[in-house]
Amino acid sequence: DTAVSQTPKYLVTQMGNDKSIKCEQNLGHDTMYWYKQDSKKFLKIMFSYNNKELIINETVPNRFSPKSPDKAHLNLHINSLELGDSAVYFCASSQVPSGAYEQYFGPGTRLTVT
Amino acid sequence: DAKTTQPNSMESNEEEPVHLPCNHSTISGTDYIHWYRQLPSQGPEYVIHGLTSNVNNRMASLAIAEDRKSSTLILHRATLRDAAVYYCILRDVIQGAQKLVFGQGTRLTINP
Repeated sequence: DTAVSQTPKYLVTQMGNDKSIKCEQNLGHDTMYWYKQDSKKFLKIMFSYNNKELIINETVPNRFSPKSPDKAHLNLHINSLELGDSAVYFCASSQVPSGAYEQYFGPGTRLTVT
Repeated sequence: DAKTTQPNSMESNEEEPVHLPCNHSTISGTDYIHWYRQLPSQGPEYVIHGLTSNVNNRMASLAIAEDRKSSTLILHRATLRDAAVYYCILRDVIQGAQKLVFGQGTRLTINP
């Protein structure tokens, strides 16, 4: 069973379009995340939701809007796509830590903006 | 910015032990040390974590210096499948959410 799944795996689109990436976790975790890995391979956190509430928002342009319909899903909607949005986007989840729980990452969505 | 420093790359041979160092001189008393790795074309994968004591699991061992300003991830017998970028991270917690700040990591190459 896939713990954290993302769709689509690849997304090619043109500048100015609006697109969404979906993420689902079946681990029963309370917290979900979106990360961006750019062409230089730096992995940066974008958002975190805890029980559908936005907790972390790392100065991401407001063209990016995460939406959490329930605690098992965290979707990422991107408006007016730009060339610089091309990257691999990873979704992750974790349990609310009472110790030091790990994050589980999805396989990634490679977004290419042309 | 990442609060850890690691060598950019390391190389080892198959079936030999690998010691991956990490410096975190500004670590606070409540910071957990986490290690993740990222295999080619995959998402990061949790490896191990620790606070003060050395830790062992099925994947690796984590040796933490007494002053906690450095740590070493130990792969006891490296295989070709261990070739990956290894990240040492000081985990922060914000209202229940873990904030992992990834640095550049160490790219580990395993020679057959």
